[in-house]
Amino acid sequence: AQSVSQHNHHVILSEAASLELGCNYSYGGTVNLFWYVQYPGQHLQLLLKYFSGDPLVKGIKGFEAEFIKSKFSFNLRKPSVQWSDTAEYFCAVNKNTDKLIFGTGTRLQVFP
Amino acid sequence: SQTIHQWPATLVQPVGSPLSLECTVEGTSNPNLYWYRQAAGRGLQLLFYSVGIGQISSEVPQNLSASRPQDRQFILSSKKLLLSDSGFYLCAWSVGGGAKDTQYFGPGTRLTVL
Repeated sequence: AQSVSQHNHHVILSEAASLELGCNYSYGGTVNLFWYVQYPGQHLQLLLKYFSGDPLVKGIKGFEAEFIKSKFSFNLRKPSVQWSDTAEYFCAVNKNTDKLIFGTGTRLQVFP
Repeated sequence: SQTIHQWPATLVQPVGSPLSLECTVEGTSNPNLYWYRQAAGRGLQLLFYSVGIGQISSEVPQNLSASRPQDRQFILSSKKLLLSDSGFYLCAWSVGGGAKDTQYFGPGTRLTVL
């Protein structure tokens, strides 16, 4: 069965540290890739998405993600995190269907 | 602008009791609607989705059912709750009907079954 793996369940960083959250999927062929974020007390919202073209995707708030097809990965990165980045981050994948498969999420805590 | 509402925000129910969670969307027409459940350590699991009034697709066999009586209303129900139904239930909508469409999520309902 298709799956999405987020191996980092809980990440703790200090402000200004660099961030990389892993996301791997088990689909073959062409996929659509998403990162969603849920800030404390807020709705789950889209951070960025990739369909085709440049495998380095820029999102909101300085986040980016790189699609590496050979590694079936779509890791999320940010060069310098802020306290306001504290949130839960979800990777999601689908193919030619509306059904999104979500990972289990990564809880990020950033300390000032 | 579009908004999505879910209620109640929290709910504590005894085992065996019925359930009704409501989701409504404003500011858009003929949205695709989704119900997800988020259990601790398990990510979001799609339960039901609907592409139109009265059209419901179930993704996972379970104790729950869904209905869409109006274009922008999506209801999640159960006749008899189980302990395993506890979790955080999220409603979402999208438009366009394609796999690339962004889904927009509601605030969620936290259900505890005792």
